Amino acid sequence: EIVMTQSPATLSVSPGERATLSCRASQSVSNNLAWYQQRPGQAPRLLIYGASTRATGIPARFSGSGSGTEFTLTISSLQSEDFAVYYCQQYNNWPPLTFGGGTKVEIK
Amino acid sequence: EVQLVESGGGLVQPGGSLRLSCAASGFTFNSYEMNWVRQAPGKGLEWVSYISSSGSTIYYADSVKGRFTISRDNAKNSLYLQMNSLRAEDTAVYYCARDSPRIGHWFDPWGQGTLVTVSS
Repeated sequence: EIVMTQSPATLSVSPGERATLSCRASQSVSNNLAWYQQRPGQAPRLLIYGASTRATGIPARFSGSGSGTEFTLTISSLQSEDFAVYYCQQYNNWPPLTFGGGTKVEIK
Repeated sequence: EVQLVESGGGLVQPGGSLRLSCAASGFTFNSYEMNWVRQAPGKGLEWVSYISSSGSTIYYADSVKGRFTISRDNAKNSLYLQMNSLRAEDTAVYYCARDSPRIGHWFDPWGQGTLVTVSS
């Protein structure tokens, strides 16, 4: 099973600032990685797939990069609605499909 | 509009059973693979099960294998999860999620979730 590790667990950022979230895989997942956003009380929402392709309707301030075992989600200028929990998920080697533990982006 | 609506959650005693349903609309259901993903209270996401578009290929997480059964009825645009021998650690919000339209297995969209509580 591929283990996904996200860091940091919590990121404190001021509105308008840049946020950089990391996701590491226990072995290479190529570019078979997705990112999700989960706001409080809501279902997760797909942001990025293929490590760097934005899903339909996702603002350009969200960008994904990386391949192999190291991945990054960058939010270029945080808006109030971006304060949420973010999860990465690999789909290279499965079953099982596995998620990281999440990074909570909170208001500084 | 693509929509997934789960139902069937509730309170059940340890060892009991529950059947979750997910009603799909706004897309050609029989063309898509589907999944169940769960989230324990205050915890992260855990993939539970996958079913191919025809229902011929099925996978489970080890944590539920032998206890849960995924199925679908393409004529009714519906996905199901039969959960038997439930344990306290199965307490979670259960989401149905559509699989990707391309090669790969990401989830989009997700339903709003249904809460399953296993407690005496």
